[in-house]
Amino acid sequence: DTGVSQDPRHKITKRGQNVTFRCDPISEHNRLYWYRQTLGQGPEFLTYFQNEAQLEKSRLLSDRFSAERPKGSFSTLEIQRTEQGDSAMYLCASSATGTGFSGANVLTFGAGSRLTVL
Amino acid sequence: AQSVAQPEDQVNVAEGNPLTVKCTYSVSGNPYLFWYVQYPNRGLQFLLKYITGDNLVKGSYGFEAEFNKSQTSFHLKKPSALVSDSALYFCAVREREEKLTFGTGTRLTIIP
Repeated sequence: DTGVSQDPRHKITKRGQNVTFRCDPISEHNRLYWYRQTLGQGPEFLTYFQNEAQLEKSRLLSDRFSAERPKGSFSTLEIQRTEQGDSAMYLCASSATGTGFSGANVLTFGAGSRLTVL
Repeated sequence: AQSVAQPEDQVNVAEGNPLTVKCTYSVSGNPYLFWYVQYPNRGLQFLLKYITGDNLVKGSYGFEAEFNKSQTSFHLKKPSALVSDSALYFCAVREREEKLTFGTGTRLTIIP
């Protein structure tokens, strides 16, 4: 399977606990994105990396959220002291930069990690 | 800031009829426009994109979209709907910023 993998697919936690999600992008892709999707809404941008550099963070990404991509391959998204409002689907996507090929600028998404905070 | 609007939360179409899912966008420069589809318990799947060139873009599963600069629209179309087309459809735009901005989605239901 050469798609984007996310783990775990589902996470149920109690308020105040920390959770971490992992994303393994398509290996040739240098960009990696995190989005959050709540019921009835479109995906909302959280942050993105080019290789190991985090280039942009949304204001949605509070101080309790941190994302890393230490070697420019997989990425982790950690949420500290979870709140009920953090319950959502967390989507990871990757893309290859450049022009002149059909996949340029196209984000490929993983199946998502669903977080439920009780 | 870049944005997209999908004015219809729900679209119902009889199987075999043509379908249209509407999208309008707002950017200050030239847009890159995308359509994605989401099936239950699955990630978003890319359907098609407009970057430049021909205003009519053809994509996966027989879908196409027409870029209209004067109306700032990028409506998704298919000549003959299938029951398997029932899903949640998202329009997205990218401008100078590197991220995609998504609409709120349109649930398409194809009635047998």
